[in-house]
Amino acid sequence: GAGVSQTPSNKVTEKGKYVELRCDPISGHTALYWYRQSLGQGPEFLIYFQGTGAADDSGLPNDRFFAVRPEGSVSTLKIQRTERGDSAVYLCASSRQGSAYNEQFFGPGTRLTVL
Amino acid sequence: DQQVKQNSPSLSVQEGRISILNCDYTNSMFDYFLWYKKYPAEGPTFLISISSIKDKNEDGRFTVFLNKSAKHLSLHIVPSQPGDSAVYFCAASARTGNQFYFGTGTSLTVIP
Repeated sequence: GAGVSQTPSNKVTEKGKYVELRCDPISGHTALYWYRQSLGQGPEFLIYFQGTGAADDSGLPNDRFFAVRPEGSVSTLKIQRTERGDSAVYLCASSRQGSAYNEQFFGPGTRLTVL
Repeated sequence: DQQVKQNSPSLSVQEGRISILNCDYTNSMFDYFLWYKKYPAEGPTFLISISSIKDKNEDGRFTVFLNKSAKHLSLHIVPSQPGDSAVYFCAASARTGNQFYFGTGTSLTVIP
């Protein structure tokens, strides 16, 4: 399909481990966003890429979280030394441009469980 | 601090009746508002939006109303259908920013 895809759909890991979550945005979309959705909450902004660069990473909770988008398309969210509180659904979204007025198209999310 | 609030976690409505979902915001810089719909195991999908220069936007069965003085918006679904059963998120953004701020969602159940 032509939508945003995310892999894996589910990830179970142990406390202290390292995980990588992948996002394939819609082709041609220059803006890419990562959100985290905890149980009973709405999506919470983590980071925004315009092209290859992180234009706004103000939502990353701490330095254990890092994201890259080396070629301006696929992005990887990396979490080091995972903690149980990192358990959530991680959503990726893309849009044609990086304006807050542009509709964001969301992927199905990766459900991360840290045991 | 939650800048966008949806105070009703759930709502049940009979098929054919009107569904009204409410959303409040605190940041006066917000000037663009959206509603997203989410089914289980899927990402949110865009439903309808409104900019602060308007007080109403309509798309088929869906109408969004914006009351800037009260910092309140609402989504009306008329007539409600069982397929509308989902979680609805309100979101807001500001011209000066890059991100959307989401509410906690309202789970709508339309009873056949």
